[in-house]
Order: sequence, then structure tokens, then C-alpha cells
Amino acid sequence: DVKVTQSSRYLVKRTGEKVFLECVQDMDHENMFWYRQDPGLGLRLIYFSYDVKMKEKGDIPEGYSVSREKKERFSLILESASTNQTSMYLCASSFLSSNQPQHFGDGTRLSIL
Amino acid sequence: AQSVTQLGSHVSVSEGALVLLRCNYSSSVPPYLFWYVQYPNQGLQLLLKYTSAATLVKGINGFEAEFKKSETSFHLTKPSAHMSDAAEYFCAVSYSGNTGKLIFGQGTTLQVKP
Repeated sequence: DVKVTQSSRYLVKRTGEKVFLECVQDMDHENMFWYRQDPGLGLRLIYFSYDVKMKEKGDIPEGYSVSREKKERFSLILESASTNQTSMYLCASSFLSSNQPQHFGDGTRLSIL
Repeated sequence: AQSVTQLGSHVSVSEGALVLLRCNYSSSVPPYLFWYVQYPNQGLQLLLKYTSAATLVKGINGFEAEFKKSETSFHLTKPSAHMSDAAEYFCAVSYSGNTGKLIFGQGTTLQVKP
């Protein structure tokens, strides 16, 4: 089975802190994705990557950056955390093909105080 | 622009009743379609997928969905609801050449009453 592992299930940080969310997949997937999920807004794509050191902006990249130094690992960085970034963050991975599903981690519930 | 619409943000059924969750997509090219389920405080789990083979697709937990090109729909059904089916359900679409990006619907929360 595909395993997508997010480093933390729950995280509490303070405004202005630099926050790192880590995601690791074990299926040699080319694609990796970061979403945030908020009530009533569904899933919104923040960034995705289709190869090592490659990244593409999603729908809401402002206030975030990403890093992909190794194929299996994709990090989401909040450069200076703000309270409006309190959310559920979901990582996913997939093969580089339109007909393949994405596989999701269990999510990180991030609170910015 | 390509989009996915899930009709009804909340659906409530009685245990043992038919479950019907609606999904319509907009597209001028053949889509690939997916249904996911999300239980509280968990990630999304793939229920089933349509990738241009049989139009009736069977998934896990007794769910199935039928691709209807003429109606641009991919509704999810289950003949008899179980309490454990209570969750949020997402429909998603991809297209050839989209390299794996998915467009998600807004989600439908299924409540199952005893």
C-alpha cells in the first residue's frame, strides 16, 4: 500500500514563526501536492511538484513556499505564520499521469496563536 | 474552465436507506473521475475511479458510481447506508495532459441516522 506520512498530526505555533510541515511518500511518485482544507471551502491547492527541485504554484500560494530536495520528501514552509493560516494541511502524491489517483496523508492540523 | 459541482453540501439518510451523492463536471474532453471519502481528522481515502473503461465502477465499502457522458455526471451510490458511512465525500476530476492535478468538488457531508 502507498504510504504518505506527514510529520505531525497536530501543531501549535505563534504568529511570526517560521513553520515547516514535512511529507514523505514511499511509492516513488513523481508528483507531490500540498493542500489546505477549511470548512466550507473544500480543498485548495497551495503548491505542487512534479520532480525534484521543481515546483508550481497552486491556487493559494501566498504566504507559503515549498522545498523538494529528494523525490520522496516535500516540505511546506510558512515563512512568517499568521493566524489566517490556521487550518488543516493535507499532503498527497501520485504518479505523473492524468488517470492516476492521488494518495493522501492523514493531515496536519495547524493552529497559529 | 474545468470544474466539479457536488449538489448538496449536506445529505442525511436513515440507516439502511439508499445513499446518492451527486457529482457533475464541466468538460469538453473525456475526463478521469474519482470519489474520495474523508473520515473525521483523517486524510482522503480513494473510494473508486473511472478511467475510461466500464462506465459502472465498483469501489470499496459497497459504493459504486456510474459515468454518464450525456449528463456529465458521476454520481456515487450505495444501496444500504451504514452508520460507519458517515463522513465527507469528495468528487474529483482530471484530464488527459493534466499530469496528475485534480480538480475537487466542494464536498458533501453524509449523515446517517439510526
